[in-house]
Amino acid sequence: DIQMTQSPSTLSASVGDRVTITCRASQSISTSLAWYQQKPGKAPKLLIYDASSLDSGVPSRFSGSGSATEFTLTISSLQPDDFATYYCQQYNTYCTFGPGTTLDFK
Amino acid sequence: QVQVVESGGGVVQPGRSLRLSCAASGFSFSNFGMHWVRQAPGKGLEWVAVISHDGNNKFYGDSVKGRFTISRDNSKNMVYLQMNTLRTEDTAVYYCAKDASGFSYGDYWGQGTLVTVSS
Repeated sequence: DIQMTQSPSTLSASVGDRVTITCRASQSISTSLAWYQQKPGKAPKLLIYDASSLDSGVPSRFSGSGSATEFTLTISSLQPDDFATYYCQQYNTYCTFGPGTTLDFK
Repeated sequence: QVQVVESGGGVVQPGRSLRLSCAASGFSFSNFGMHWVRQAPGKGLEWVAVISHDGNNKFYGDSVKGRFTISRDNSKNMVYLQMNTLRTEDTAVYYCAKDASGFSYGDYWGQGTLVTVSS
């Protein structure tokens, strides 16, 4: 089974900051990686697929990169609406989610 | 617009069964796979199962294999999750999600239905 890790588990930041979340796979998954944003009590929302493709309607301050085993999600300038939990998910072999990164106010 | 709506959650005793339903609309349902994903209270997301567009291929997460069964009825635009021999650790919000293409990521998600397994 493919295991996913994320770092950091919690990230404290301020509006306007540039932040980066890292996701690592236990084996190569090519670019079969998605990123989701989830707010309390809500369903996950797709942000990025195929490691770097922005889903329709997602602000351009979000970007994804990486391949094989290491991936990053970057938010170029944090907005108040961005404080949430972020999950990566591999879909190269079945599906596995990372444990999540909570982005909170510094 | 695409809509996915789960139902069927509730409180059930350990060892009993429950069936979740997911109603989909706004897209060509028979052309897309569907996922179930769950989230225990205060925990992260866990992939549960996926079914192909025609129902011929089904895959499960290790923690539910042999106990849960995913199925679909393309005539009704419905997906189901039959959950047997439920355990307290199955307590979670269960989300249904449309597969983007060919067993990949979920591009549209429902709001979830809560299953509580407790005596």
